[in-house]
Amino acid sequence: NAGVTQTPKFQVLKTGQSMTLQCAQDMNHEYMSWYRQDPGMGLRLIHYSVGAGITDQGEVPNGYNVSRSTTEDFPLRLLSAAPSQTSVYFCASSRTGTSGPGSSYNEQFFGPGTRLTVL
Amino acid sequence: AQSVAQPEDQVNVAEGNPLTVKCTYSVSGNPYLFWYVQYPNRGLQFLLKYITGDNLVKGSYGFEAEFNKSQTSFHLKKPSALVSDSALYFCAVRNTGFQKLVFGTGTRLLVSP
Repeated sequence: NAGVTQTPKFQVLKTGQSMTLQCAQDMNHEYMSWYRQDPGMGLRLIHYSVGAGITDQGEVPNGYNVSRSTTEDFPLRLLSAAPSQTSVYFCASSRTGTSGPGSSYNEQFFGPGTRLTVL
Repeated sequence: AQSVAQPEDQVNVAEGNPLTVKCTYSVSGNPYLFWYVQYPNRGLQFLLKYITGDNLVKGSYGFEAEFNKSQTSFHLKKPSALVSDSALYFCAVRNTGFQKLVFGTGTRLLVSP
């Protein structure tokens, strides 16, 4: 298994440009999420999905869109890049249970990250 | 709302000495607690988790963590540190029924030879 893969690894954008960060997993995980990591702030949840066709907002969703058309893929779109979106972005996935606690205690698997700079 | 505090930005320890990385949490209901490690230019790797049962949880690479409900803490420990343990460590919490995982700000562990 390749696990969680992310492309690209590095990206430089100009303010106002748009782009899509790709994330894919081959573990048949229902749950997928996007985080951004900034110095001194830990990881903050941007968007997440509990299955194909279902997405929801995290802590910092503004300026980002997601979709989940398949179980495997969960792309993150920056609509109009801003310098404040300069960050390292991580995609993660995990199994979910049928309901209740089983959906909460499974650890997440993380991709290697995308380092984005917006000038 | 869930929250996690890692009060130390950095922990320094000599190789061979025991190490502790602190974590306290706030959550309504029963907590599910996790520790992750991040090596330079890498994604996060799962170390261990507490769901229920014994308060002392053992994980990867010789790490363990102690859950203390009265102090709402989940400190990461290792009896004998290695230089290769130097990395960024994150504590995270989730509560029953919710998918959102809330991370602390991270603690950098530096193990000197």
